[in-house]
Amino acid sequence: KNQVEQSPQSLIILEGKNCTLQCNYTVSPFSNLRWYKQDTGRGPVSLTIMTFSENTKSNGRYTATLDADTKQSSLHITASQLSDSASYICVVSDGTGANNLFFGTGTRLTVIP
Amino acid sequence: DAGVIQSPRHEVTEMGQEVTLRCKPISGHDYLFWYRQTMMRGLELLIYFNNNVPIDDSGMPEDRFSAKMPNASFSTLKIQPSEPRDSAVYFCASSRNRDYEQYFGPGTRLTVT
Repeated sequence: KNQVEQSPQSLIILEGKNCTLQCNYTVSPFSNLRWYKQDTGRGPVSLTIMTFSENTKSNGRYTATLDADTKQSSLHITASQLSDSASYICVVSDGTGANNLFFGTGTRLTVIP
Repeated sequence: DAGVIQSPRHEVTEMGQEVTLRCKPISGHDYLFWYRQTMMRGLELLIYFNNNVPIDDSGMPEDRFSAKMPNASFSTLKIQPSEPRDSAVYFCASSRNRDYEQYFGPGTRLTVT
């Protein structure tokens, strides 16, 4: 069964600290993996998209890694800021159609001063 | 570009009423997606269009839901009759290509009482 699981479900960190969010998937075949950031009351915004051949991609203080062999991805946030408080959603595509996107339920990150 | 535009931003209606949600995609994007987001189920793809044609509506929960895209710049999602369990945030997203980055609108928060 194609699934995407994210951990932790929620996380609270101090401003300035680093954190890592996890995404494990069982989707097959695999086309790409996306990380989205969703601020409260807003639509998701794409952070990174990685294909099978990419094992790391950065977007500012956000760095995503992908291990297609173990079917794991992580999103590392460096020097967190209050504005990083949001939900982070991992989405995996099997490449067979736009409808075949598998969504994680997200990690809710709260950065406190 | 103003991004994906959705209206209304909030909708409160009574059970049994018809609800129509509207979306204007980003100009030049050939794909349009309708999603529903709830706390329990996260993001779910309902239907998507390519060049105004519905490609897959397997995510549409029931016959009470229908979606149209009469032209490249406008789409509607209609619920008739609405039920309390339809309460959710409905997002519209668009993209240039099936597997490209999707740009989400701000969402419509629907409450059915």
